[in-house]
Amino acid sequence: QKEVEQNSGPLSVPEGAIASLNCTYSDRGSQSFFWYRQYSGKSPELIMFIYSNGDKEDGRFTAQLNKASQYVSLLIRDSQPSDSATYLCAAHNNDMRFGAGTRLTVKP
Amino acid sequence: DVKVTQSSRYLVKRTGEKVFLECVQDMDHENMFWYRQDPGLGLRLIYFSYDVKMKEKGDIPEGYSVSREKKERFSLILESASTNQTSMYLCATRGGNQPQHFGDGTRLSIL
Repeated sequence: QKEVEQNSGPLSVPEGAIASLNCTYSDRGSQSFFWYRQYSGKSPELIMFIYSNGDKEDGRFTAQLNKASQYVSLLIRDSQPSDSATYLCAAHNNDMRFGAGTRLTVKP
Repeated sequence: DVKVTQSSRYLVKRTGEKVFLECVQDMDHENMFWYRQDPGLGLRLIYFSYDVKMKEKGDIPEGYSVSREKKERFSLILESASTNQTSMYLCATRGGNQPQHFGDGTRLSIL
């Protein structure tokens, strides 16, 4: 069983819609969680991190964490074509574990 | 801003060559990591280091070694390159429990 699982997609949404990206993790000791965005041919860049249960908002992005369900999500409001990328979820306990990523396409 | 610099963006080498990939960070972070990323397989950890002269194997260390002689520099070595080591290689650094920051990556082709 993979330690961090994501739906590989591709996930396709129209411009202006809400994109919802989901992630589950198996290590209950994980304390912090991260979302990275990776454009094709580029390296991952951090866009959000969350440590506590609940929601954390930053501009058009909202990260949601539910430790009881071992579930993390990322919502992107008012999706733009420039949001088209692969989104990586990561969970940190003693080390960082990454999911394989979800490819998001935002269609104009 | 954290700056993680990888020595080459693109590299082409031949089978059997010894290959060095260099990574330098400017944030005095203790932790440094080498990953490879392949389509459908995600990020896989090769080696990491928590301190100078200290190294730990990750999930796929076979065929690789590392060197950390100075805190800011972490080198990945392919002892005898093979075609199945053609990949994108990513260096990352982290301070304490903070997020990891990645370099721009090196796309390595082994012919």
